[in-house]
Amino acid sequence: DGGITQSPKYLFRKEGQNVTLSCEQNLNHDAMYWYRQDPGQGLRLIYYSQIVNDFQKGDIAEGYSVSREKKESFPLTVTSAQKNPTAFYLCASSIGLNAHTEAFFGQGTRLTVV
Amino acid sequence: RKEVEQDPGPFNVPEGATVAFNCTYSNSASQSFFWYRQDCRKEPKLLMSVYSSGNEDGRFTAQLNRASQYISLLIRDSKLSDSATYLCVVNEDRPGRRALTFGSGTRLQVQP
Repeated sequence: DGGITQSPKYLFRKEGQNVTLSCEQNLNHDAMYWYRQDPGQGLRLIYYSQIVNDFQKGDIAEGYSVSREKKESFPLTVTSAQKNPTAFYLCASSIGLNAHTEAFFGQGTRLTVV
Repeated sequence: RKEVEQDPGPFNVPEGATVAFNCTYSNSASQSFFWYRQDCRKEPKLLMSVYSSGNEDGRFTAQLNRASQYISLLIRDSKLSDSATYLCVVNEDRPGRRALTFGSGTRLQVQP
């Protein structure tokens, strides 16, 4: 089955530690995205990538880093510089960034800093 | 001003009611528009795309008004299972940014 897989589903991190969230898709999509969602809030864009080896900052990129070495994979690292990392992280992909292309989401990773 | 704005609700309606949500967007160059549904603690899922001529899918009707820069979603004959948060999504295209922008969502609670 084609889809987007995020892992792990739940993640606990100690303050001061970096942590990497995995996102893999087998939909052959060019574009991939990372969003953050806080309780009762909408989705805010962290980073996005239109193509392999290219990515752009979104609205809240500070304290995060990404890589896009393969088309299928777009891991997100939450660094110790991120002041308030506890949130629900959603990865998405779409065929491209052209018009009329909807995004498909993974099931998300809930990160809690303890 | 937010790029995509929605009334957060909650909208509490009885089963069988008709309910409408509106969403406004600020970027007139936006190319495409969607409504997503998000259940509690789950990922968003596409409900429907929104086309200029308006489109309908069963009990759901979406409309786009480019002149006024708003999108609407109408749900007829509400079911308990329609209870969720509905996210308005705009595919933006402006210098330095091409990505999907989400509204904060409108929460719907259908009461028995």
